[in-house]
Amino acid sequence: SQELEQSPQSLIVQEGKNLTINCTSSKTLYGLYWYKQKYGEGLIFLMMLQKGGEEKSHEKITAKLDEKKQQSSLHITASQPSHAGIYLCGADRGNTPLVFGKGTRLSVIA
Amino acid sequence: NAGVTQTPKFQVLKTGQSMTLQCAQDMNHEYMSWYRQDPGMGLRLIHYSVGAGITDQGEVPNGYNVSRSTTEDFPLRLLLAAPSQTSVYFCASTPGVGSNSPLHFGNGTRLTVT
Repeated sequence: SQELEQSPQSLIVQEGKNLTINCTSSKTLYGLYWYKQKYGEGLIFLMMLQKGGEEKSHEKITAKLDEKKQQSSLHITASQPSHAGIYLCGADRGNTPLVFGKGTRLSVIA
Repeated sequence: NAGVTQTPKFQVLKTGQSMTLQCAQDMNHEYMSWYRQDPGMGLRLIHYSVGAGITDQGEVPNGYNVSRSTTEDFPLRLLLAAPSQTSVYFCASTPGVGSNSPLHFGNGTRLTVT
């Protein structure tokens, strides 16, 4: 959806490097979901952010929702081949179905 | 729990044929939805249902029909398949829209229409 823009569209990083993926909404978010998809497989839920300024971490992945609740960032520290895949953000606008960004394709090379 | 189960995993159809993509969940979720995923387009919502007997259109509903006779099942029907419907289809469920719970996704059905 054009309501939700992800950047970059694709990313190639060397193993061990840090990276950031951004998700920007044209409207205020009630919540923001991050999913990961391995090539050819289903989507795996990573994290959900609801409050402006909220930050959550899981292993080496940290996600933040900015104070004005219109942008989120996903940061991976010391990337590994297991981090490769497609990362999608999904916007919660209240009592309506989730709207997704187009995804960011991440490749991690040795 | 099996979660969200989609069948089949792969399907090849000829233009004009019909088929039903099956989706079942065993989590007693009220909300279910169908998305299609195309290269460069992300996930686009086809149809969704907030409970048994209730369905509604999403962003790209043309060419697809749905019904929700039970809480567990939400089949997606293609009546006259077209090459433009070649895609990967995902079914997803959650306790309810606005429930602050994430969508649970099936593993997808890869459909090719020739």
